[in-house]
Amino acid sequence: QKEVEQNSGPLSVPEGAIASLNCTYSDRGSQSFFWYRQYSGKSPELIMFIYSNGDKEDGRFTAQLNKASQYVSLLIRDSQPSDSATYLCAVKNTNAGKSTFGDGTTLTVKP
Amino acid sequence: EAGVAQSPRYKIIEKRQSVAFWCNPISGHATLYWYQQILGQGPKLLIQFQNNGVVDDSQLPKDRFSAERLKGVDSTLKIQPAKLEDSAVYLCASSYRVQATNEKLFFGSGTQLSVL
Repeated sequence: QKEVEQNSGPLSVPEGAIASLNCTYSDRGSQSFFWYRQYSGKSPELIMFIYSNGDKEDGRFTAQLNKASQYVSLLIRDSQPSDSATYLCAVKNTNAGKSTFGDGTTLTVKP
Repeated sequence: EAGVAQSPRYKIIEKRQSVAFWCNPISGHATLYWYQQILGQGPKLLIQFQNNGVVDDSQLPKDRFSAERLKGVDSTLKIQPAKLEDSAVYLCASSYRVQATNEKLFFGSGTQLSVL
């Protein structure tokens, strides 16, 4: 079992729709959860982080965390073609200072 | 603020040859990471430095990979000899307060290695 699992996709949504990306993790000692966006041929860039159970909103993005279920998700509202990218879930064990990445979900937003 | 610098951007070598990658983190960032990202996969941690000491190198293939971070600043990752399966993007990242819950990773542009 991988430490961080994501739906590989590809996930395709029409422009303006909500895209839902999911991630599960196995290390119960994980304390921080990050969503990175990676455009093809580019490096990952941070979109959001969350460390408390519940929802966290930032513009069109909402991160959701459920530590009991070891589940974290990212919702993208009003999806735009520029959101087309691979979304990486990263889980951090703060004590170890180590971040572990999932394999990413590729999102395509069709105009 | 200058970002994480990496070089070279691309490298093509033949199997069994050696190769080295260089990384200069953001000034003041004590923690430096080397990740390997194979096409279609997420970044996999190879080695993590805290200043000039190794924190985690459990996934570094030590028979062929080596890394150093002299003086706690820039770092070099070496592969010798390279294998076909080493073809990947090698990402360097740094962070300031590694044990802060909201501390993100700052990535360099990466080195794309092709082993023929």
